[in-house]
Amino acid sequence: NAGVTQTPKFRVLKTGQSMTLLCAQDMNHEYMYWYRQDPGMGLRLIHYSVGEGTTAKGEVPDGYNVSRLKKQNFLLGLESAAPSQTSVYFCASGSGELFFGEGSRLTVL
Amino acid sequence: GQSLEQPSEVTAVEGAIVQINCTYQTSGFYGLSWYQQHDGGAPTFLSYNALDGLEETGRFSSFLSRSDSYGYLLLQELQMKDSASYFCACGGSSNTGKLIFGQGTTLQVKP
Repeated sequence: NAGVTQTPKFRVLKTGQSMTLLCAQDMNHEYMYWYRQDPGMGLRLIHYSVGEGTTAKGEVPDGYNVSRLKKQNFLLGLESAAPSQTSVYFCASGSGELFFGEGSRLTVL
Repeated sequence: GQSLEQPSEVTAVEGAIVQINCTYQTSGFYGLSWYQQHDGGAPTFLSYNALDGLEETGRFSSFLSRSDSYGYLLLQELQMKDSASYFCACGGSSNTGKLIFGQGTTLQVKP
């Protein structure tokens, strides 16, 4: 049972490049989330989805886009990466109890 | 909007009891949950309170008072492995889906 899987786990980008983080869950959860975590800070909600085909903005959505074309997948896109987006990104799924992926460590130079 | 406040750091000795408080402000409250995160790891679920009162799970207990917009996580018989960050989060199974976390409390357990 894989749970929540994030790819890639590490990535280095140059300013202005684009990339997509993929989150996949095999627990048939309706709700999925993307958070970012910076040193000494908590988890800040970027975007979330309450079901296939739906997305909503969280606390810090600027500079990110998301898509939920399939129930099991939640994609986070950076169209033009900036150094301020250097962070650890966590995907989660569930309701009441969240299950987290292992994180994706992104560095933007 | 939603916001949660918790202390940034707590220190305790092995075998002791520690309480981590969390106060929240939110419209449409649907429950308070707690997560543990070790350095470099993913957050893991500890407990969830939808109703007032105490929920006990082994050495960990969580309390909620909706009238006071307040909750706490109680850790008993502290062990070195309990050194981690602890986050409260506001939201739940019946809300719009938006789950917001506090900034976390770093617990250091000393021998």
